[in-house]
Amino acid sequence: GAVVSQHPSRVICKSGTSVKIECRSLDFQATTMFWYRQFPKQSLMLMATSNEGSKATYEQGVEKDKFLINHASLTLSTLTVTSAHPEDSSFYICSASNGRDRQPQHFGDGTRLSIL
Amino acid sequence: DAKTTQPNSMESNEEEPVHLPCNHSTISGTDYIHWYRQLPSQGPEYVIHGLTSNVNNRMASLAIAEDRKSSTLILHRATLRDAAVYYCILSPRGNSGGSNYKLTFGKGTLLTVNP
Repeated sequence: GAVVSQHPSRVICKSGTSVKIECRSLDFQATTMFWYRQFPKQSLMLMATSNEGSKATYEQGVEKDKFLINHASLTLSTLTVTSAHPEDSSFYICSASNGRDRQPQHFGDGTRLSIL
Repeated sequence: DAKTTQPNSMESNEEEPVHLPCNHSTISGTDYIHWYRQLPSQGPEYVIHGLTSNVNNRMASLAIAEDRKSSTLILHRATLRDAAVYYCILSPRGNSGGSNYKLTFGKGTLLTVNP
């Protein structure tokens, strides 16, 4: 089946650090990738939708200058959390879609980000 | 976005069937019904989806009411590995007919499977 690889799986860093998370579709071309955030005991919240070669569309309340998204190829999207602070600590999850009708989204295993 | 209502939690015994209900009374004619599940500390995993007809795959079956206002995910024989949060999500078919749709996750149903 389709595989989405997310890296790193866990990051612990100091406040003020910028952190980059990669999301790769390993065996299909992902025309669209989605980035979610999940706080403990809560559901996934969509942060942004990223289409290859164009600017990401951010959900209301998500700061685009804080969460930089790049989707430069059909197999890779990156999320950079700039100048991270403790309140940015969360579980970040990406998903990818090949754009074909009736095909599901495929999710990565998530990145646990902890800001000290 | 059309909303879904699911029980917060359900419990099952291993090797027994599990029926997970979902109400979506405001579903529109073009909304697909998707089910995903999330194991602890992992990303969601696709389970099944359908539009009008019942669907079967190797993981589960999806029974859709005739008026499409509710659906039921059926796990035929629950195993301990099926313990997860199950999400029922409605999503409109994309303009191109493709899958570039947003998924809005609710709270889902936490399924506990007893050995």
